[in-house]
Amino acid sequence: GQQLNQSPQSMFIQEGEDVSMNCTSSSIFNTWLWYKQDPGEGPVLLIALYKAGELTSNGRLTAQFGITRKDSFLNISASIPSDVGIYFCAGTPRGAQKLVFGQGTRLTINP
Amino acid sequence: NAGVMQNPRHLVRRRGQEARLRCSPMKGHSHVYWYRQLPEEGLKFMVYLQKENIIDESGMPKERFSAEFPKEGPSILRIQQVVRGDSAAYFCASSPFEGTEAFFGQGTRLTVV
Repeated sequence: GQQLNQSPQSMFIQEGEDVSMNCTSSSIFNTWLWYKQDPGEGPVLLIALYKAGELTSNGRLTAQFGITRKDSFLNISASIPSDVGIYFCAGTPRGAQKLVFGQGTRLTINP
Repeated sequence: NAGVMQNPRHLVRRRGQEARLRCSPMKGHSHVYWYRQLPEEGLKFMVYLQKENIIDESGMPKERFSAEFPKEGPSILRIQQVVRGDSAAYFCASSPFEGTEAFFGQGTRLTVV
């Protein structure tokens, strides 16, 4: 019930394309977070969402907290080579205090 | 304001030895999470602590693993009698309040030989 299903697992795109990934759960989440992880590094926080329906941007990144509180998406516009990496969604389930993570989306960009 | 500091970055232990992983949260953060990551996999929750209290340890193996976050000093993840299967990257994250954004350290890569 507190698992996060993240899709797609991997994406192969051309530089300049837009990217979209999402996370869903069968249970309600109070918080949604999106992270990016580069090889050998810790995850870096990209966007934090706290209210249902909230739409937040950070440069070329846009994320939304789903209205049902059971999903979130992350969009990246006009991808560039440094966008390569693994993107993770994370959230705090209602009634729990831990932060759970999705399985990750590996983004590869062809120049 | 320094970020989350983990040390050591790399740790090699022989089977049967103890591994102690340290995490100093960001200044003002009293909530600490520990995660384990295998190559090409996601982050698996292990334990969530507030100062001097373990809040949720549902992801931590019952044997050989323990965690603490004392009133003074860093949070410690301790693995006793390590086995090859314990080899992984262990990440710590801290947050100022429960259920808010968490910031990660660089991780400790444990190799058991």
